[in-house]
Amino acid sequence: AQSVTQLGSHVSVSEGALVLLRCNYSSSVPPYLFWYVQYPNQGLQLLLKYTSAATLVKGINGFEAEFKKSETSFHLTKPSAHMRDAAEYFCAVSDEYSSASKIIFGSGTRLSIRP
Amino acid sequence: DGGITQSPKYLFRKEGQNVTLSCEQNLNHDAMYWYRQDPGQGLRLIYYSQIVNDFQKGDIAEGYSVSREKKESFPLTVTSAQKNPTAFYLCASSPRQVGTGETQYFGPGTRLLVL
Repeated sequence: AQSVTQLGSHVSVSEGALVLLRCNYSSSVPPYLFWYVQYPNQGLQLLLKYTSAATLVKGINGFEAEFKKSETSFHLTKPSAHMRDAAEYFCAVSDEYSSASKIIFGSGTRLSIRP
Repeated sequence: DGGITQSPKYLFRKEGQNVTLSCEQNLNHDAMYWYRQDPGQGLRLIYYSQIVNDFQKGDIAEGYSVSREKKESFPLTVTSAQKNPTAFYLCASSPRQVGTGETQYFGPGTRLLVL
């Protein structure tokens, strides 16, 4: 069965510092992996997704994530944090054998940015 | 502009009352989904539909009902059988089912509160 674990429910970094949000997945077949961002009282917006092409995936707002099969990880990074990056971030996984339309979301990581 | 609309933004429910949350999309997507979001628990799937006049239960369908009479509409009814309905409800759609690596696109959400 698929699962996804986000390490750290809350991450705080200084403006201009590196952002690293961790995500580990479990899937018995090659996965599709997603990162979504949610601003307060809004829906989720796709940041980036991995679908078995390049292992380093670039997304919107300067974010990127690297798929590491050996570590079953898909960590999200951004070289320099901005105040506008403060939001909740969700990692998600599905695969071609997913039960119909199943996509599994992690429990989320809240990112705070210190001035 | 193409997208997903949800209404109302806030909804108040009295004890024993059924309420219906609206979700409309003009993206011509086949699949639509309803999620419930509670603090610290990520997103949980309530119902999904891959095609008009067909829908399946997700992980937490008890106390909820849906219909899919039109491709663009997927309303969710929270019945009086749902004893803890206070949550943020998110509607999403995808071109096809997510097992093919499809991205889910989210609406802005409806916050349901119990009076």
